[in-house]
Amino acid sequence: EAAVTQSPRNKVAVTGGKVTLSCNQTNNHNNMYWYRQDTGHGLRLIHYSYGAGSTEKGDIPDGYKASRPSQENFSLILELATPSQTSVYFCASGDADTGQLYFGEGSKLTVL
Amino acid sequence: GQQVQQSPASLVLQEGENAELQCNFSSTATRLQWFYQHPGGRLVSLFYNPSGTKHTGRLTSTTVTNERRSSLHISSSQTTDSGTYFCAIDRSNNNAPRFGAGTKLSVKP
Repeated sequence: EAAVTQSPRNKVAVTGGKVTLSCNQTNNHNNMYWYRQDTGHGLRLIHYSYGAGSTEKGDIPDGYKASRPSQENFSLILELATPSQTSVYFCASGDADTGQLYFGEGSKLTVL
Repeated sequence: GQQVQQSPASLVLQEGENAELQCNFSSTATRLQWFYQHPGGRLVSLFYNPSGTKHTGRLTSTTVTNERRSSLHISSSQTTDSGTYFCAIDRSNNNAPRFGAGTKLSVKP
C-alpha cells in the first residue's frame, strides 16, 4: 500500500523559532502537498510540488516555505513560528494521472 | 479559486439510520474524491469519483459533474462510521485538490 510518513508527529515550538516538518513518500508520486487542518476550516492548502526541485504556493502560503529536494521528500518550513500557526499539518502524495491522494498521519504543532 | 461547500456541517444518527452527505462546488471539477477521517487521525480515501455512481459496502457516491454536486450515502449506519467526511475537488493534474469543511458524523448506539 502507498505510504506517506510525517515527522515529527508532535512538536512544541516557541514563538520566533524555526520549525521544519518533514514528509516522505514511497509511492513514487510526482505530486506532493502540505495542508493544515483547523476546526471549522477543513484542510487548507499551504504549498505543493509537481516534482523534485519544484514548489508552488497554495491558498495560505504566508509564513511558510517548502522544499522538495527529491521525489520522496517534501518539507514545510516555518522560519519564524507564530502562535497562529498552531495546527495539525497533513502531507499527501498524489497520483498525477488519477488525482488520488494518500495522506500521512499528521503532525500536531503547538507554538507557544 | 474553487469553492467547495459541504452539508450538513454535522449530523447525529441512531445506529441503523441512513445518512446523506452533500458536496457542492463552484467551478467545473474533473476529479472529485471523498475522504473519511477518524477522530484526530489520518484521512482515508473512500471514493475517487469524478462522475457517476460508485458503491463500496454500505457506501454509495453519486457525482453529477455538470450540476457541480456529489453525494455520499451511508446505509444502515454503525457506530464505527462516526468521524468526519470530506470531499475534495481539483480540475486537472496541474491543479491541487481543495477541500470542503467536512461533515462531522456521530452515530449513537
